[in-house]
Amino acid sequence: NAGVTQTPKFQVLKTGQSMTLQCAQDMNHNSMYWYRQDPGMGLRLIYYSASEGTTDKGEVPNGYNVSRLNKREFSLRLESAAPSQTSVYFCASSAPDWQETQYFGPGTRLLVL
Amino acid sequence: DQQVKQNSPSLSVQEGRISILNCDYTNSMFDYFLWYKKYPAEGPTFLISISSIKDKNEDGRFTVFLNKSAKHLSLHIVPSQPGDSAVYFCAASPVNTNAGKSTFGDGTTLTVKP
Repeated sequence: NAGVTQTPKFQVLKTGQSMTLQCAQDMNHNSMYWYRQDPGMGLRLIYYSASEGTTDKGEVPNGYNVSRLNKREFSLRLESAAPSQTSVYFCASSAPDWQETQYFGPGTRLLVL
Repeated sequence: DQQVKQNSPSLSVQEGRISILNCDYTNSMFDYFLWYKKYPAEGPTFLISISSIKDKNEDGRFTVFLNKSAKHLSLHIVPSQPGDSAVYFCAASPVNTNAGKSTFGDGTTLTVKP
């Protein structure tokens, strides 16, 4: 039982390049989320997926797209990376009940030059 | 306008003493509050939560207090241990909203000295 896994752990991109951050969970959770954390700040929700086949915007969705490939996997895509997207990205999952605990992955550290 | 504020970026306490981490919020629609703990190079982990129908929730060494009239909550750790050294995030979510859509504070870095 690995919980929530994220790949890659670290990535360097040049401005304008694209990439996809991968996330998978093995806890049979319906809901999945993508956050970013900038230095000295809390987590901000980028996108979430309440269930397979649905996705919704969070607080900071601009510049990102997501795909809920199946119940296990939720990917985050940067089509044209910008230096402002330099951050640490966390994926999380939870059961559908609104007070259910979230489980976070270890994060992907992204540097955009 | 930041809706969840942790006004102390850092806190240092001696091992065995009490650690008190504070959090203020402005949105009166928030009714479910969570604390997460984060070690370097790891994702946050859930620590403890409290619903607005309560004013206190306890789990071992960790107790969260909620003062709704003051829009203030605090996390007490007694006794503090060196392994508690981490960043602590306060988060809040509105009525009947998925807790995954919580608003996070900026975090407080706790250092527990042996």
